[in-house]
Amino acid sequence: GNSVTQMEGPVTLSEEAFLTINCTYTATGYPSLFWYVQYPGEGLQLLLKATKADDKGSNKGFEATYRKETTSFHLEKGSVQVSDSAVYFCALSGSSGNTPLVFGKGTRLSVIA
Amino acid sequence: KAGVTQTPRYLIKTRGQQVTLSCSPISGHRSVSWYQQTPGQGLQFLFEYFSETQRNKGNFPGRFSGRQFSNSRSEMNVSTLELGDSALYLCASSQGQPGQQYFGPGTRLTVT
Repeated sequence: GNSVTQMEGPVTLSEEAFLTINCTYTATGYPSLFWYVQYPGEGLQLLLKATKADDKGSNKGFEATYRKETTSFHLEKGSVQVSDSAVYFCALSGSSGNTPLVFGKGTRLSVIA
Repeated sequence: KAGVTQTPRYLIKTRGQQVTLSCSPISGHRSVSWYQQTPGQGLQFLFEYFSETQRNKGNFPGRFSGRQFSNSRSEMNVSTLELGDSALYLCASSQGQPGQQYFGPGTRLTVT
């Protein structure tokens, strides 16, 4: 079945540091890939998405590129802020429409001033 | 537009009891999905309803059930609660685009 593996946290960075959170997936066909973010005490919010190979999703300074050859969708940001502290989830949606989202376990990011 | 709302936000129940959680999706959204979030298992899919019909179901025992009403509001029910059911239950709605879901703040269920 489909699955997502993302790096274990927690990740602690200083403000303005570079962020990478690794995500790899296993799926048949051509899934859509997503990054969701969960701020303390809130539900998840869609951060960015990519629906086909080599697509780059971007939002709020975050980027991720859909790499089919390495089955990866790593999240990056050039300069993190304290307000980026949250839990980040990589997820996929199977290629055969209307299939449920499959999430990674989440990576907690703490950014210190 | 108002976001996804879930009630109640917090709930404490005793083992063996049953519980009903409610979710109101974003206006116009016909799909509602439910997830269980725990520190050990992460986010696990429970079920999805679309136009009052269960469209997908996760790998949970029959104690977990749900339904959707004609106004797209959804409820999930857990009967014979176990300690392991303690979790954050998240509801998400969508217009149907695969994966693009809007989540509510969740209901924190504690079973004692």
